Amino acid sequence: DVKVTQSSRYLVKRTGEKVFLECVQDMDHENMFWYRQDPGLGLRLIYFSYDVKMKEKGDIPEGYSVSREKKERFSLILESASTNQTSMYLCASRAGQIETQYFGPGTRLLVL
Amino acid sequence: GENVEQHPSTLSVQEGDSAVIKCTYSDSASNYFPWYKQELGKRPQLIIDIRSNVGEKKDQRIAVTLNKTAKHFSLHITETQPEDSAVYFCAASISQGAQKLVFGQGTRLTINP
Repeated sequence: DVKVTQSSRYLVKRTGEKVFLECVQDMDHENMFWYRQDPGLGLRLIYFSYDVKMKEKGDIPEGYSVSREKKERFSLILESASTNQTSMYLCASRAGQIETQYFGPGTRLLVL
Repeated sequence: GENVEQHPSTLSVQEGDSAVIKCTYSDSASNYFPWYKQELGKRPQLIIDIRSNVGEKKDQRIAVTLNKTAKHFSLHITETQPEDSAVYFCAASISQGAQKLVFGQGTRLTINP
């Protein structure tokens, strides 16, 4: 059974803080993704990674960066948090040529 | 790039009735179309998917249809039950490169008892 976990369910941060969101999957998936979910906007892709140390920008990468030093871990970094980054952040993973995508439980981030 | 539009944004049906959610996509190269269900406070989970080489797929009370010519696909839920209440997302992807999914905006389905 695929398991995708995220380091926090809820986070409260101050404007300007550096924020780290961690995601871990235990199924040796090549592809990992970070989305943000906002009401009425669906799931928007921030960044994705198709291999260790490889990353590509998604649709809304501004203000974010990512790190993938190990295959099972994909980190999302908010270099300087802003109030418009208050959102639900969802991580996902998927095997290379199989399209079923598995999501983590989400991190609800509030930036004050 | 790919763009996916989903309608309606909210849908309310009586228990036992059918519900239909529709999506359109822009990239004719898209060939994989999954549907995800997200219950309140939970993660999205895949409920059904269809590949471009078939026109319809069923799984018990759930079915998905695909019209490649018109570039739209639909989710059909029959004999709706209270546990079907959730947000549903459609998505599309191209089976090349990193195969990223592009999601629709979501439909909040409410089943009224």
